[in-house]
Amino acid sequence: NAGVTQTPKFQVLKTGQSMTLQCAQDMNHEYMSWYRQDPGMGLRLIHYSVGAGITDQGEVPNGYNVSRSTTEDFPLRLLSAAPSQTSVYFCASSRSFAYEQYFGPGTRLTVT
Amino acid sequence: AQTVTQSQPEMSVQEAETVTLSCTYDTSESDYYLFWYKQPPSRQMILVIRQEAYKQQNATENRFSVNFQKAAKSFSLKISDSQLGDAAMYFCAYRSAPSGANSKLTFGKGITLSVRP
Repeated sequence: NAGVTQTPKFQVLKTGQSMTLQCAQDMNHEYMSWYRQDPGMGLRLIHYSVGAGITDQGEVPNGYNVSRSTTEDFPLRLLSAAPSQTSVYFCASSRSFAYEQYFGPGTRLTVT
Repeated sequence: AQTVTQSQPEMSVQEAETVTLSCTYDTSESDYYLFWYKQPPSRQMILVIRQEAYKQQNATENRFSVNFQKAAKSFSLKISDSQLGDAAMYFCAYRSAPSGANSKLTFGKGITLSVRP
């Protein structure tokens, strides 16, 4: 049982480049979320989804896009990378709002 | 909007001793869930303990227990018999209950716990 997987684990981008962070879960969870973690800031919600075809913005959505075409996958797209997007990104999923979220291992992104 | 406050950025405990990590939150809701997550140097987020607001009984998981004071909006984590492997960053988190559209977790800024041998 793989749980929540994220790829890549590390990525370096130049300013203005675009890329997609991949997230997949094999637990048939309805809820999936993307967070970014910055020193001294805790984890902040970027976007989330309550099911296939349904997404919504979180606390810090600017510069990011998401889509949810299947229950399993929830990719995060950086449209035009900026140094302010240097962070560690976590994907998480849960069965419903009543249950804990399971986190992927994270992606460390550096934008130069 | 809900907020979660962890006012102590760092704490230290002697191995085998007990330590309490503080967390307060602000909400106007009556039904919600509270969590403590542990993040060791490996970066993996690990659930430590979960508390439903409608339950008066404090949650316990082995050496970890909480002191949930709903009226005071306080949710502290007690670690008994501290071990070297408990050294990590700990995050307190809040999750709304009533609506799927509000299923997001709100995190505190975390507290770094060190364990002295």
